[in-house]
Amino acid sequence: SQQGEEDPQALSIQEGENATMNCSYKTSINNLQWYRQNSGRGLVHLILIRSNEREKHSGRLRVTLDTSKKSSSLLITASRAADTASYFCATEKGNNRLAFGKGNQVVVIP
Amino acid sequence: EAQVTQNPRYLITVTGKKLTVTCSQNMNHEYMSWYRQDPGLGLRQIYYSMNVEVTDKGDVPEGYKVSRKEKRNFPLILESPSPNQTSLYFCASSRQGHQETQYFGPGTRLLVL
Repeated sequence: SQQGEEDPQALSIQEGENATMNCSYKTSINNLQWYRQNSGRGLVHLILIRSNEREKHSGRLRVTLDTSKKSSSLLITASRAADTASYFCATEKGNNRLAFGKGNQVVVIP
Repeated sequence: EAQVTQNPRYLITVTGKKLTVTCSQNMNHEYMSWYRQDPGLGLRQIYYSMNVEVTDKGDVPEGYKVSRKEKRNFPLILESPSPNQTSLYFCASSRQGHQETQYFGPGTRLLVL
């Protein structure tokens, strides 16, 4: 079944460094979304990138989409302690459903 | 303030005692859904609703019921809770469907003894 899968699963970096995480999916999509979740709280939408877009920016976030490889990456530049969270990609699963990956835990060390 | 609210936020119950988790959104969204989040399994969709009186099963609907009598409310009902339904539950809504930005509630942490 189609589902976003993030890689790597866990990442620990120093404040100021960049963090990159990847997401792969299995079937064709119209768009892919990235969300952030702070510990035990609701998910917050970060970026939606459409299938005809290759790159999208939002502040310190940069998302790329490679439909030929069925993969997306999320780059957080100049990380801050407040970026410590889990990051999820979400893709369509057909039948009006959305599938989330298992999440990528990022720890930014001050 | 645009938001999705869930109640209760925390709940401890016993096996077999029916419970309802409420979800309400004030954004006039048509699409609403319920997810459960478990360690190592990520978020899994339980049920979703495209509009009033239209509901469909997600990936893990067993043991759950939902209703959509009004646009703003989408309660999750556990008729006979079991310990394997201990989880963190999230309600989400979007303007028209799964392909749009999802707005999540704060979550309901449920423990079934």
